[in-house]
Amino acid sequence: DQQVKQNSPSLSVQEGRISILNCDYTNSMFDYFLWYKKYPAEGPTFLISISSIKDKNEDGRFTVFLNKSAKHLSLHIVPSQPGDSAVYFCAAKGNNDMRFGAGTRLTVKP
Amino acid sequence: KAGVTQTPRYLIKTRGQQVTLSCSPISGHRSVSWYQQTPGQGLQFLFEYFSETQRNKGNFPGRFSGRQFSNSRSEMNVSTLELGDSALYLCASSLAGADTQYFGPGTRLTVL
Repeated sequence: DQQVKQNSPSLSVQEGRISILNCDYTNSMFDYFLWYKKYPAEGPTFLISISSIKDKNEDGRFTVFLNKSAKHLSLHIVPSQPGDSAVYFCAAKGNNDMRFGAGTRLTVKP
Repeated sequence: KAGVTQTPRYLIKTRGQQVTLSCSPISGHRSVSWYQQTPGQGLQFLFEYFSETQRNKGNFPGRFSGRQFSNSRSEMNVSTLELGDSALYLCASSLAGADTQYFGPGTRLTVL
């Protein structure tokens, strides 16, 4: 029962270009969404979040977009840097429940 | 402020054995959640503890259990280990559970 899906297991982009990571969810009770970044041998670290009352949240090079009608969110990284290479997890919260996607491995090539 | 700590960092066990993993949350955090990470499956929620009570439980068999102590430290126990239990077990803490979680580095469990 995968309520949160990240359909792209990997993504490769050139340094300086835009990285777009996508996430879909099925449970309409989710009302808060987060992105985490994970480096090897470390736990995930919080990156950015968005509440369901918004459709966009920006923090420096990172912007998260939420399309509630499509139950879809995306993370944009502009410009991408080699240090952004990591696994990115999206997470959805609601009704005392929290679910994570399977993750997308982003590789930013110099 | 110290982050979330997990011990041990690495563990090797054999099938049939049991294992106990420990998690110390950030000071002041009362909610502790446990996740299993395996390749291709992402982070799968095991359970959440808040003020020594299990508040939420994921879809895992009863071999997986946990508890939380009065100082918010938490332990997770897996009995009768199976090969498929090999994974990275992550613990995350938050103030009250409904906000941002902070993860520990994880315990890498290998079952032979």
